[in-house]
Amino acid sequence: KNQVEQSPQSLIILEGKNCTLQCNYTVSPFSNLRWYKQDTGRGPVSLTIMTFSENTKSNGRYTATLDADTKQSSLHITASQLSDSASYICVVTEGNTDKLIFGTGTRLQVFP
Amino acid sequence: NAGVTQTPKFRVLKTGQSMTLLCAQDMNHEYMYWYRQDPGMGLRLIHYSVGEGTTAKGEVPDGYNVSRLKKQNFLLGLESAAPSQTSVYFCASSYRASGNTIYFGEGSWLTVV
Repeated sequence: KNQVEQSPQSLIILEGKNCTLQCNYTVSPFSNLRWYKQDTGRGPVSLTIMTFSENTKSNGRYTATLDADTKQSSLHITASQLSDSASYICVVTEGNTDKLIFGTGTRLQVFP
Repeated sequence: NAGVTQTPKFRVLKTGQSMTLLCAQDMNHEYMYWYRQDPGMGLRLIHYSVGEGTTAKGEVPDGYNVSRLKKQNFLLGLESAAPSQTSVYFCASSYRASGNTIYFGEGSWLTVV
């Protein structure tokens, strides 16, 4: 069964610290992997999209990595800010159907 | 730049009532989607459309109907609301399904009592 699992479920860090969120998937065949940020009460906003051939992609203080061999991705947040408090959702596109398979997200809280 | 706009933002329905959620996008996107988001679950696709006049079922279509009469609008209807349809509904749009950014609306909170 095609699945996307994220860890940890929730994370608390202090402002200014770095953190890394994990995404493991069993989706096959694979088309691409996306990371979204979802603020409380808002819609998801795209951070990155990576295809099979891309290992790393950055968007400001957000850096996503992809290892298609081990089917793992990570999202690294550098020098966290209070505004980074949100849920981060990993989404994998199935290659045959273009179906998006969503993870349940990691809830990040950044405290001053 | 409005992007994807959903109305209404909040609604409370009684069981058995009907309602329509409206989604409008101003990016000339071909693809539009309706998702629902429930606690502890990833977003699930209800219905989608690959162009004006087309609709297709997603993962959880039962109890919902959709229409795409104009390219910029995608309507989600509940003919007879049930408590199980209490959820947050998100509309999204993109140029095509794979490889392109999918833009989401701000969500519509629906409670069925």
